[in-house]
Amino acid sequence: DGGITQSPKYLFRKEGQNVTLSCEQNLNHDAMYWYRQDPGQGLRLIYYSQIVNDFQKGDIAEGYSVSREKKESFPLTVTSAQKNPTAFYLCASSIVGVRGVRKLFFGSGTQLSVL
Amino acid sequence: QQQVKQSPQSLIVQKGGISIINCAYENTAFDYFPWYQQFPGKGPALLIAIRPDVSEKKEGRFTISFNKSAKQFSLHIMDSQPGDSATYFCAASWKTSGSRLTFGEGTQLTVNP
Repeated sequence: DGGITQSPKYLFRKEGQNVTLSCEQNLNHDAMYWYRQDPGQGLRLIYYSQIVNDFQKGDIAEGYSVSREKKESFPLTVTSAQKNPTAFYLCASSIVGVRGVRKLFFGSGTQLSVL
Repeated sequence: QQQVKQSPQSLIVQKGGISIINCAYENTAFDYFPWYQQFPGKGPALLIAIRPDVSEKKEGRFTISFNKSAKQFSLHIMDSQPGDSATYFCAASWKTSGSRLTFGEGTQLTVNP
């Protein structure tokens, strides 16, 4: 059963704490992404990686960190420097399909809340 | 900097009616315009997409209309059904960005029975 698995589904962060969100894919996709979703603001790109051991900042990278040590895994750490971490976090991977169709496959998300 | 503007923020339609969601973009380098559908508690999924070399694309009850000169595109859902109730996002990307997408703010569609 191929797809993207995000865990946990719900996560709570205490003040000053770093938390890590897991993202695993078995689609053999090279590129992976982290988006943050807030009501009324759409999806904003945090970090993305087009190949193992390489990643780039997106539009809102401050207070976040990532690693890409394996093709299948792209964990996101929300650090204590992120002052407003409450949001729905979405991981995605992508292929370039027929006629250059660029399709993102999303996981089911992690809801992060601050205690 | 928001490069894709989406409206309305929310939309209520009666069953069988037409739902219309609009998007406008600024970056003329965009060359791929997908729409994603998201149900509560789930990740978005690709619904339909268009390139600027055509003015319209239809897949079943879903149609994208594209106006290159106005830098606008819209999603039309014909014969809207309660099962279409979801959040819809327009997006855009340019060739050298790979699959990196810029998303609109989203539209929450409710189709009443």
